[in-house]
Amino acid sequence: QKEVEQNSGPLSVPEGAIASLNCTYSDRGSQSFFWYRQYSGKSPELIMSIYSNGDKEDGRFTAQLNKASQYVSLLIRDSQPSDSATYLCASLQGDGNKLVFGAGTILRVKS
Amino acid sequence: DTAVSQTPKYLVTQMGNDKSIKCEQNLGHDTMYWYKQDSKKFLKIMFSYNNKELIINETVPNRFSPKSPDKAHLNLHINSLELGDSAVYFCASSLRQGINEKLFFGSGTQLSVL
Repeated sequence: QKEVEQNSGPLSVPEGAIASLNCTYSDRGSQSFFWYRQYSGKSPELIMSIYSNGDKEDGRFTAQLNKASQYVSLLIRDSQPSDSATYLCASLQGDGNKLVFGAGTILRVKS
Repeated sequence: DTAVSQTPKYLVTQMGNDKSIKCEQNLGHDTMYWYKQDSKKFLKIMFSYNNKELIINETVPNRFSPKSPDKAHLNLHINSLELGDSAVYFCASSLRQGINEKLFFGSGTQLSVL
């Protein structure tokens, strides 16, 4: 199993700011990448997926993928206190059989 | 209607005991998984079944045995529980294996081994 690395944080941003979450991966064969959000004591839920180099936008969320640098990021615009959670980056490995997660970055949005 | 349901939500037990966690999905998905999340929140895959067939078996002690009686159910039995087994265990399902399949997670089972 190849690694997915994230800074554990916490990352603290003021309400209304842009939160930038980063992730690197070691499996050059990975083609699909995902961002899951996990509130404390709850299960992870998918917020973004990205498969091609470049940016993908969905509402206040933008995922960015750079396969040459093996780097994935998630931008959250106009951050809200309700965005405070742990954000898990994941890559699909093993011929598409296995979703491998990073350890997650804790985001705190202060009002 | 709960899409992926697992029971029990909490499980407190003594070292050496044997326990089971049950999981059921009503989404009609083909693929089910067990993930373990440790105290540092690291979520790691343990097993994956596709249509009742074992697909992924990560380096997990033999004390852990998954059972899939049908594609809607994937149970996890743990023998001779150890302190290090304490974690949150998540069941999940996806429509199929593959490139863009979203995982739907159950609410988790908090296992505490004393």
